[in-house]
Amino acid sequence: TQLLEQSPQFLSIQEGENLTVYCNSSSVFSSLQWYRQEPGEGPVLLVTVVTGGEVKKLKRLTFQFGDARKDSSLHITAAQPGDTGLYLCAGAFWTQGGSEKLVFGKGMKLTVNP
Amino acid sequence: NAGVTQTPKFQVLKTGQSMTLQCAQDMNHNSMYWYRQDPGMGLRLIYYSASEGTTDKGEVPNGYNVSRLNKREFSLRLESAAPSQTSVYFCASSTRPGPNSPLHFGNGTRLTVT
Repeated sequence: TQLLEQSPQFLSIQEGENLTVYCNSSSVFSSLQWYRQEPGEGPVLLVTVVTGGEVKKLKRLTFQFGDARKDSSLHITAAQPGDTGLYLCAGAFWTQGGSEKLVFGKGMKLTVNP
Repeated sequence: NAGVTQTPKFQVLKTGQSMTLQCAQDMNHNSMYWYRQDPGMGLRLIYYSASEGTTDKGEVPNGYNVSRLNKREFSLRLESAAPSQTSVYFCASSTRPGPNSPLHFGNGTRLTVT
């Protein structure tokens, strides 16, 4: 069962365009992390959001956690070729068994063409 | 500051062969993890070690064993490799156990089993 759905899965845009990546679930998350992974490297943490409705900004990247803590979005303004990579969301949630788990989405592969 | 170091970077095995993937972190983190990343599947947790001296199964532990050698090192062993274990393997660490603690990843080991 895929708990985290990311959309779109692939995106190819021109330099200067804006884009939004979505991370959705039917589960409530205690926190949600966004990572970026470049080819041949491991994921690198961009941000963690914890509070429903929270908005965090990292230069041209804006992250939002939904009010109900079931979804999140990443908006990139004026994309640059250096933004190319795989964007992963990962949500922390409580299982029925009482343990806490981290689940990764499948990622959104972004290509920004010069 | 190396962070998380994985060796080897690439490996090709024949079915039935064994090997150990090595991971070391120099950030004095308590918790360490092994993930595999497959196309269309996202990152899946194989095993983790919440603290030195403890190890636990993750989502996909079959066919693998782990050893937390000391606080710095966490190895993953494939006793009898199978083609289904062809994947990219990532080691990660975090300051404390639990899914709300951000992960620091190594750059991966690309394993092909023929």
